[in-house]
Amino acid sequence: QVQLQQSGPGLVRPSQTLSLTCVISGDSVSSNSVAWNWIRQSPSRGLEWLGRTYYRSKWYNDYAEYMKGRISVSPDTSQNQFSLQLNFVTPEDTAVYYCAREVIGEKYSSWYDPWGQGTQVTVSS
Amino acid sequence: DIQMTQSPSSVSASVGDRVTITCRAGQGVSRWLAWYQQKPGKAPRLLIYAASTLQSGVPSRFWGSGSGTEFTLTISNLQPEDFGTYYCQQGDGLPRTFGQGTHLEIK
Repeated sequence: QVQLQQSGPGLVRPSQTLSLTCVISGDSVSSNSVAWNWIRQSPSRGLEWLGRTYYRSKWYNDYAEYMKGRISVSPDTSQNQFSLQLNFVTPEDTAVYYCAREVIGEKYSSWYDPWGQGTQVTVSS
Repeated sequence: DIQMTQSPSSVSASVGDRVTITCRAGQGVSRWLAWYQQKPGKAPRLLIYAASTLQSGVPSRFWGSGSGTEFTLTISNLQPEDFGTYYCQQGDGLPRTFGQGTHLEIK
């Protein structure tokens, strides 16, 4: 059974960096059949995909277009985990952040299972 | 980005009822659609993928159908534990996108 356990601070100051970690059990961050994602949820914007990392003979990343330049998702093979860094945060980045495994199906279709428990992150001074 | 629109935004039903939630995609996504259930303070839980395939452990009273741009999630014989918010997610185009959610209340 795959489980994802998130950790990281719940309060981040404006213009600082948001950093979260997701520890994987029951699967490998280096698996070549899944991807490892960060998704956030807020009342105003709903569920938003942020970015992912995955291994296919080498490491790849994809990011939401509106996040490019501010976001980094990186694997840590030694700890079997992956992390999110979001720079220059503003109050609009206040949300619940989730990590999730992306299962790849036919024709590169995909869905998310399982999800981490979620981390409420508030951006405030 | 592919816009996903759910209806209704909220529904109230009684135990034993049948409930149907609709999800429309802004462009065709073949059958690459997933449904999730979320309860307050918890992460979304995958119920159905590829439009109609039930995730392991999900009760058979949950049923998905559709293809292209229109999809439905049907819950038959509604149970008290089925309350929560339901989301669709398209798994065809990048970036993956979600519907805005349908809140299900048990009367």
